[in-house]
Amino acid sequence: NAGVTQTPKFQVLKTGQSMTLQCAQDMNHNSMYWYRQDPGMGLRLIYYSASEGTTDKGEVPNGYNVSRLNKREFSLRLESAAPSQTSVYFCASSVSGANTGELFFGEGSRLTVL
Amino acid sequence: GENVEQHPSTLSVQEGDSAVIKCTYSDSASNYFPWYKQELGKGPQLIIDIRSNVGEKKDQRIAVTLNKTAKHFSLHITETQPEDSAVYFCAASTGESGGGADGLTFGKGTHLIIQP
Repeated sequence: NAGVTQTPKFQVLKTGQSMTLQCAQDMNHNSMYWYRQDPGMGLRLIYYSASEGTTDKGEVPNGYNVSRLNKREFSLRLESAAPSQTSVYFCASSVSGANTGELFFGEGSRLTVL
Repeated sequence: GENVEQHPSTLSVQEGDSAVIKCTYSDSASNYFPWYKQELGKGPQLIIDIRSNVGEKKDQRIAVTLNKTAKHFSLHITETQPEDSAVYFCAASTGESGGGADGLTFGKGTHLIIQP
């Protein structure tokens, strides 16, 4: 049971570099999300996709872009990484919405920007 | 928007004792309150949730209570065991139609430490 798979698990970038975090789910869920987790800040929503073909900003979208490639895949792109984007990133999915049902999380991607 | 406060940030209890984590929320329209457990190096996992039409829900050693008048809800873990050591997050949602995660707000988390 793969569930939600994120790649890579670890990444070190230099300021100004770009990268894409990949996420795939095999549960046929409609909604997918990207969160970041920082010490003492809890989980903050970056972007979400309520259904295939739609994306919306969350609480902290600046500096990020997303693509809902198909129903299974939702990627997060950092175009020009900054040290403030050093964080642990979690992808999640749900059947129809985090506000009404369970979120299933991946194991996280730890990103360090030097 | 919704604001969720969670206390304490760290809680240390002896194995076998009970642990209580409390959350308050600001939006009276919130009607869905999940709790997530995050073990070291893992993603959060839903352990229990409650909706506003009930005041309490139990699942073995875990229970959640909700007081809508006071706008607070709590997680209770009885007979704590070493495997309960983790970070716990509460969340609140208005359950707005149309789906999406913009209606779900997380607390900042509680690090629960079970002392042997």
